[in-house]
Amino acid sequence: QVQLVESGGGVVQSGRSLRLSCAASGFTFSRNAMHWVRQAPGKGLEWVAVISVDGRDYYHADSVKGRFTISRDNSRNTLYLQMNSLRDEDTAVYYCARDPSAAANYYFDYWGQGTLVTVSS
Amino acid sequence: EIVLTQSPATLSVSPGERATLSCRASQSVSSYLAWYQQKPGQAPRLLIYGASNRATGIPARFSGSGSGTDFTLTISSLEPEDFAVYYCQQRSDWPRITFGQGTRLEI
Repeated sequence: QVQLVESGGGVVQSGRSLRLSCAASGFTFSRNAMHWVRQAPGKGLEWVAVISVDGRDYYHADSVKGRFTISRDNSRNTLYLQMNSLRDEDTAVYYCARDPSAAANYYFDYWGQGTLVTVSS
Repeated sequence: EIVLTQSPATLSVSPGERATLSCRASQSVSSYLAWYQQKPGQAPRLLIYGASNRATGIPARFSGSGSGTDFTLTISSLEPEDFAVYYCQQRSDWPRITFGQGTRLEI
């Protein structure tokens, strides 16, 4: 069965960095585009970033552009999110999510359980 | 950015009743709309994609309809496990993906 397990969250001071990981199993990781989606406490969902199957193409939401970088290692079946210059408003649960397609349909058919990032000033 | 407005914010219904949730887009998204269910403390679950296609394993009581700017998620006969928050999401304007603010379905 498809499993996505995030890690790397925690409490971090404003302005510092954090790297999230998402370990994938139960499917051929290199055949699906992958996304990060976040949810601030008590709030709705916000898409963060997408990466292509080979890692060469990626997009980030305007709210994180220039600060966050999505990447992947297909040999390790792992998705990453490097978060720099963190702000209070980045406090959220971060989910990795699988795209059903290699070509990035921008739907999310499987989700991890999420990892909480808390940015304190 | 395409804004998705969901209504109502909260819908109170009883098990066995029919629930109708609405999602309106600020501009046409064609049929590029999905619906997700999220229960407290859990990740969202994909219910519907392409406005009307049920995702794998989703019961037939869930159905989606609409195109352009107006969409509906219908749950034909509510089961106790259906009480949750529901979000719509558009992918028409990729990569500027947006979600609605959610509708809470409560007893």
